[in-house]
Amino acid sequence: AQSVTQPDIHITVSEGASLELRCNYSYGATPYLFWYVQSPGQGLQLLLKYFSGDTLVQGIKGFEAEFKRSQSSFNLRKPSVHWSDAAEYFCAVLYNNNDMRFGAGTRLTVKP
Amino acid sequence: NAGVTQTPKFRILKIGQSMTLQCAQDMNHNYMYWYRQDPGMGLKLIYYSVGAGITDKGEVPNGYNVSRSTTEDFPLRLELAAPSQTSVYFCASSSRGGLNTEAFFGQGTRLTVV
Repeated sequence: AQSVTQPDIHITVSEGASLELRCNYSYGATPYLFWYVQSPGQGLQLLLKYFSGDTLVQGIKGFEAEFKRSQSSFNLRKPSVHWSDAAEYFCAVLYNNNDMRFGAGTRLTVKP
Repeated sequence: NAGVTQTPKFRILKIGQSMTLQCAQDMNHNYMYWYRQDPGMGLKLIYYSVGAGITDKGEVPNGYNVSRSTTEDFPLRLELAAPSQTSVYFCASSSRGGLNTEAFFGQGTRLTVV
């Protein structure tokens, strides 16, 4: 079955530390992959997306993600986390032009 | 620079009541979507529209109806509210090509059915 899994429900990191959020997907064809961020009380905002080509993609706010076909993963990374990065992060896979499936989300807490 | 506007932001309904969640976008986007977000479940697609007069079901359409009479507006109708419809509802829109371009989300409507 087609699915998106974010194994970590909640992650806490110290400000300035590095961050990696995990995402695994199940999809038969070459996936279109996305990371969205949701700040409290807000809608979702696109961080980055992967369609093809270079497997390391850069996004906004200093985030990057790496597509690994062999591991069916699309993990999100940031070298140094800022307090303003505290939010919920969603990985998503586009199954057709109008059907995007989201993971359950990972809530990020940033310690001072 | 409004983007996608949803009203109301919060609502409490009694079982069996009906209501319409409003969604409007001012970006002249053809594609519009309704999602619901349940705790620990991510977002699930309810309905979508690829243009005025055209709508289609998503993953979880039961209990909902939509219409798209204009490019700007995409209201979501709950006819007989049930506790299972307690959720946060998000409207989104995108330009050409659907969701493989960037989707813009509204701030959400938190609905509680009691």
